[in-house]
Amino acid sequence: QVQLQESGPGLVKPSETLSLTCAVSGYSISSGHYWGWIRQPPGQGLEWIGDIYHSGNTFYNPSLKSRVTISVDTSKNQFSLKMNSVTAADTAVYYCARHPWGPGSFRFDPWGQGTLVTVSS
Amino acid sequence: QTVVTQEPSFSVSPGGTVTLTCGLSSGSVSTSYYPSWYQQTPGQAPRTLIYSTYTRSSGVPDRFSGSILGNKAALTITGAQADDESDYYCVLYMGSGISVFGGGTKLTVL
Repeated sequence: QVQLQESGPGLVKPSETLSLTCAVSGYSISSGHYWGWIRQPPGQGLEWIGDIYHSGNTFYNPSLKSRVTISVDTSKNQFSLKMNSVTAADTAVYYCARHPWGPGSFRFDPWGQGTLVTVSS
Repeated sequence: QTVVTQEPSFSVSPGGTVTLTCGLSSGSVSTSYYPSWYQQTPGQAPRTLIYSTYTRSSGVPDRFSGSILGNKAALTITGAQADDESDYYCVLYMGSGISVFGGGTKLTVL
């Protein structure tokens, strides 16, 4: 059973860098699939942030691309999100998810439980 | 940038049928956008219902079904139950590695 778990600081100061890690268990990242980050501001909808493949190939939401870096560590079976120059608008629950690609496969599943990151001084 | 559109809210009676849609601000949704649907209750992570337009995720009751209706992707719930009261989100694959979520539909069962 594939499980994902987000971790990282719950409070980040404005203008600093948000850093989160998603640990994957029950499946080797090196086996394939893209792996993604999604966020949800309080009371609002979901927003795709970006995806990474085990090779390190990445795709980013164009609206966030200039501030976001997603990386993968196959030896630890985890992938990470860094977002710089954060503001209060980046306050959100951040989810990680497996993102299979290909005809008949496209979906985010499973999801981590999510972690709330608040941007405040 | 293309916007994925969903009804902000919808209401259905218990036992009734409701169809939620997922469209584009410009253009038509087809199976090539590989639409997927997610259910989210407050405080919980989203749950996958439907992917690649029609395929039900493991464990999802068959009263949830996906389709293309006209120029939109659609999620139909047949025989709505009280615990179907949730937020529903669609995602479309726009090509070039880009995925876009719709704004979500808040479904009320009453």
